Amino acid sequence: GAVVSQHPSRVICKSGTSVKIECRSLDFQATTMFWYRQFPKQSLMLMATSNEGSKATYEQGVEKDKFLINHASLTLSTLTVTSAHPEDSSFYICSARVTSDPSYEQYFGPGTRLTVT
Amino acid sequence: ILNVEQSPQSLHVQEGDSTNFTCSFPSSNFYALHWYRWETAKSPEALFVMTLNGDEKKKGRISATLNTKEGYSYLYIKGSQPEDSATYLCASYWAGGTSYGKLTFGQGTILTVHP
Repeated sequence: GAVVSQHPSRVICKSGTSVKIECRSLDFQATTMFWYRQFPKQSLMLMATSNEGSKATYEQGVEKDKFLINHASLTLSTLTVTSAHPEDSSFYICSARVTSDPSYEQYFGPGTRLTVT
Repeated sequence: ILNVEQSPQSLHVQEGDSTNFTCSFPSSNFYALHWYRWETAKSPEALFVMTLNGDEKKKGRISATLNTKEGYSYLYIKGSQPEDSATYLCASYWAGGTSYGKLTFGQGTILTVHP
């Protein structure tokens, strides 16, 4: 149980285009979903937290208009990278939690490798 | 900014060896400490969540301890096997300030177990 899928696993796009990444909790309802970004040899950095039906809360330094997050249901959150540029190339990974209690573990997707050419 | 530090960054051991690594975090307003195992091309998998000072948790050959007063956690692997090869991440929550409600991750310890 507690499986999170993420699609696509890899995507290559041209500069200026937009890319949508989906994160789904397959066998549970996720009160909260998180989006992280990882640069090479660095730790996972939280980009935003989203609760179903609410606007996402973005971390300082993360552009809301560039990284659009939608959490339309208790099992689906999407991250859209708008007008992507090469500096947006990175590894993006989502996670989901069944409660708002941070003492519960998060369940992670396998991540998406985005390359912008 | 609250930082979580893990050491060592990488570790090579022989099959059968026991090993341990460290996660350090600011102890003020500590709420919870998470350990995850992340195998290549897979999703990070939750190992333990610990909240209380002195907590010890065990899952098979892997165990973890927590010291919230001094701000550290140890992860132990007894009799390492090649399938234990992975990156081990720790992450902490704090109860107040700008980091409230958010997991802050360390950089991870990359463990390689040689047959």
